[in-house]
Amino acid sequence: DQQVKQNSPSLSVQEGRISILNCDYTNSMFDYFLWYKKYPAEGPTFLISISSIKDKNEDGRFTVFLNKSAKHLSLHIVPSQPGDSAVYFCAARLDGGFKTIFGAGTRLFVKA
Amino acid sequence: DTEVTQTPKHLVMGMTNKKSLKCEQHMGHRAMYWYKQKAKKPPELMFVYSYEKLSINESVPSRFSPECPNSSLLNLHLHALQPEDSALYLCASSLPSSGGAYEQFFGPGTRLTVL
Repeated sequence: DQQVKQNSPSLSVQEGRISILNCDYTNSMFDYFLWYKKYPAEGPTFLISISSIKDKNEDGRFTVFLNKSAKHLSLHIVPSQPGDSAVYFCAARLDGGFKTIFGAGTRLFVKA
Repeated sequence: DTEVTQTPKHLVMGMTNKKSLKCEQHMGHRAMYWYKQKAKKPPELMFVYSYEKLSINESVPSRFSPECPNSSLLNLHLHALQPEDSALYLCASSLPSSGGAYEQFFGPGTRLTVL
């Protein structure tokens, strides 16, 4: 049972345009949602998080939106840069605990 | 120092071997994690230590044995593994304090191959 789903395995975007990565979840007990970026041969790197009581969090070029009624979140990267090319994991933390569940990831290609 | 280090980077072992994976951080984090990641799959949580005590064991087979000797070190002892245990093993750490997202800092992983 996949509690966190990223249905797009890959996404290709032109440099300077917006990248939108989507994530759906099924468990209402998640209290935080996080996005991680992963380059080849490296571990995932934390990007941005959002509490389940918020609907938007922004950090520089990265904005995460949460639609709790739809159990959907998205990561917007504006403007996209070639260095953003990586695998992006959506992750969700179970209420108050250490357990974090990851989605399968979306590979983003930003073309120069 | 905002780094989590893991050794070795690569490990090839036979099914009868005993080996250990090591993880180290000096960020003062008191929660440490082991994940297993197969190709094109998400990281799957195996174990969590909080303040050097085992907090979560996700029903991992006993051929994987974690150990947290101190607040900076995390080991994963391997014995009698199967070929299907071949994967990337990731270590992570985080602050265990309340009220936060517990964002985790990951090491680069150990690529394990079981022959």
